[in-house]
Amino acid sequence: DTGVSQDPRHKITKRGQNVTFRCDPISEHNRLYWYRQTLGQGPEFLTYFQNEAQLEKSRLLSDRFSAERPKGSFSTLEIQRTEQGDSAMYLCASSWKRRGTGAYEQYFGPGTRLTVT
Amino acid sequence: AQTVTQSQPEMSVQEAETVTLSCTYDTSESDYYLFWYKQPPSRQMILVIRQEAYKQQNATENRFSVNFQKAAKSFSLKISDSQLGDAAMYFCAYSAPYGNKLVFGAGTILRVKS
Repeated sequence: DTGVSQDPRHKITKRGQNVTFRCDPISEHNRLYWYRQTLGQGPEFLTYFQNEAQLEKSRLLSDRFSAERPKGSFSTLEIQRTEQGDSAMYLCASSWKRRGTGAYEQYFGPGTRLTVT
Repeated sequence: AQTVTQSQPEMSVQEAETVTLSCTYDTSESDYYLFWYKQPPSRQMILVIRQEAYKQQNATENRFSVNFQKAAKSFSLKISDSQLGDAAMYFCAYSAPYGNKLVFGAGTILRVKS
């Protein structure tokens, strides 16, 4: 297994355009998470899926943001009508429940860096 | 809401020496998980170590160990025999059991001097 992958790694777009990012989790992981990280800060939770069900969305996830995981495998995060404030690193992570505990260790992808000009 | 605080924006350590990174958190839960993640420059986040709140024994992973003080809500990371490859941003993170999300601190930049 090659770990969590994200595509594209970098995206430059003009304000007002729509962008879509893809995340491919580790194959046996049933949970998938999206985070946003701005420069010099810790990641902030956006949303997560268990299989194909989206179980929680942060207040950070405005109406312009939508995430899907249609077959419980890869996920997409779309941002409509991008704004300069959307410029950030978008991180994807996946996890499964460690046997014998309630711990879900999350493994992160390399991220997609979005620049909105 | 749970919060995680890392009060050291930046730390330096000499190669082969030991350094401790601090983290405090706030929660009303009695059961939870704490993590340290490492993010090297322009590289992806790597899980360093995990601590279950119900365990009194501090977690260790090779040169990395934690000092978990549940009553004080403190969770520090000790790196022994520091190596140049340890230079990175280190994040402390909290998760509820059967966790839905990680709550991260702001991070500590660790510089390793040769």
